[in-house]
Amino acid sequence: DAKTTQPNSMESNEEEPVHLPCNHSTISGTDYIHWYRQLPSQGPEYVIHGLTSNVNNRMASLAIAEDRKSSTLILHRATLRDAAVYYCILRNSGGSNYKLTFGKGTLLTVNP
Amino acid sequence: GAVVSQHPSWVICKSGTSVKIECRSLDFQATTMFWYRQFPKQSLMLMATSNEGSKATYEQGVEKDKFLINHASLTLSTLTVTSAHPEDSSFYICSARDWRERRDTQYFGPGTRLTVL
Repeated sequence: DAKTTQPNSMESNEEEPVHLPCNHSTISGTDYIHWYRQLPSQGPEYVIHGLTSNVNNRMASLAIAEDRKSSTLILHRATLRDAAVYYCILRNSGGSNYKLTFGKGTLLTVNP
Repeated sequence: GAVVSQHPSWVICKSGTSVKIECRSLDFQATTMFWYRQFPKQSLMLMATSNEGSKATYEQGVEKDKFLINHASLTLSTLTVTSAHPEDSSFYICSARDWRERRDTQYFGPGTRLTVL
């Protein structure tokens, strides 16, 4: 799977928007961009995923660059419950290999 | 969303004993489940892919005789850590893929914290 690069940590204030970047310069045309997050001492939780177009759901928005070499996860109004490690993962849609390869992710701290 | 449970949530055992961890998909059928291990301050490391009715596929470096995986039904996969030692102490997390999902989402369990004394 192609590799992703994320900042080790980011800090935000409560009720402010947060933009979490992810670089994936070696992404292939069939790689989906997935975002998961992991709260302390819990299993990861699906956030959002996309291929080429920007995506929105109740949790977040995903903005994908036109060349697909980077993407940004947007939390519109951060809350204390959004403090977690956020993982950006590429998964190839071809074949039957559905496994996810987790990198180090970005530790998001939300200040009250 | 779909729910995945794990049991137990934590376990403490003596060195040399075996420990079984269950992973259940509660409201969907999972033809494929995954087992991860996570050490403190580190990311998740995939251990194996478990397919219902067939042998698990282990990642490189994971001892299949030590970490026995059984996926006997569409809602249950088990991981047995045999002859556990202190270095096996870790946070074990399973995930399940809902075969009906076209969006290819994995649902994760809450994790099992294993401490080997």
